[in-house]
Amino acid sequence: DTEVTQTPKHLVMGMTNKKSLKCEQHMGHRAMYWYKQKAKKPPELMFVYSYEKLSINESVPSRFSPECPNSSLLNLHLHALQPEDSALYLCASRPLQGLSTEAFFGQGTRLTVV
Amino acid sequence: EDQVTQSPEALRLQEGESSSLNCSYTVSGLRGLFWYRQDPGKGPEFLFTLYSAGEEKEKERLKATLTKKESFLHITAPKPEDSATYLCAVNYGGSQGNLIFGKGTKLSVKP
Repeated sequence: DTEVTQTPKHLVMGMTNKKSLKCEQHMGHRAMYWYKQKAKKPPELMFVYSYEKLSINESVPSRFSPECPNSSLLNLHLHALQPEDSALYLCASRPLQGLSTEAFFGQGTRLTVV
Repeated sequence: EDQVTQSPEALRLQEGESSSLNCSYTVSGLRGLFWYRQDPGKGPEFLFTLYSAGEEKEKERLKATLTKKESFLHITAPKPEDSATYLCAVNYGGSQGNLIFGKGTKLSVKP
């Protein structure tokens, strides 16, 4: 099973709303990531969690707030977003031990901010 | 500066017309080069991992190779369903295994 599940698949939110994106994996991977991808661009790293602790924040605005409640779940809390935050948000995971180092991605959440 | 460059940006092929996509990289301490396929509006789908120069991996019509400075994704006798954006990424080290992505090659295969 190499599945990373993201919910919801699509989200439309106003600039004053608060919403959350969810990501789940059951591969035992101890590194989890949030990426942002704009149209026709490669994914851009936002946050990295290692062993449930935030290890990298790529200078992301505070209106994005990540959370890793346990080793299988990753959330991204959204508040007071701007229209330019509209994008495909991708979650990924990878093992931190063993020979395999590839990251597996979820199908993404298509976010539209109106 | 660590960089990953993919070429061409876009590639149009006729069904059955074999070709190659290129990914060149300048990173120190390479800890893996990855190929992904991405369909519009979907997350990247893992294809291959390459770790050392000379390594090759194959899957159906795709074959990935690695040298010290670049990787090639060879597509043999492509079909329309191979149409997608192909992303190359490198793991430039560190315990978090952070990836640097190239901008991708958009492949279109016409019947």
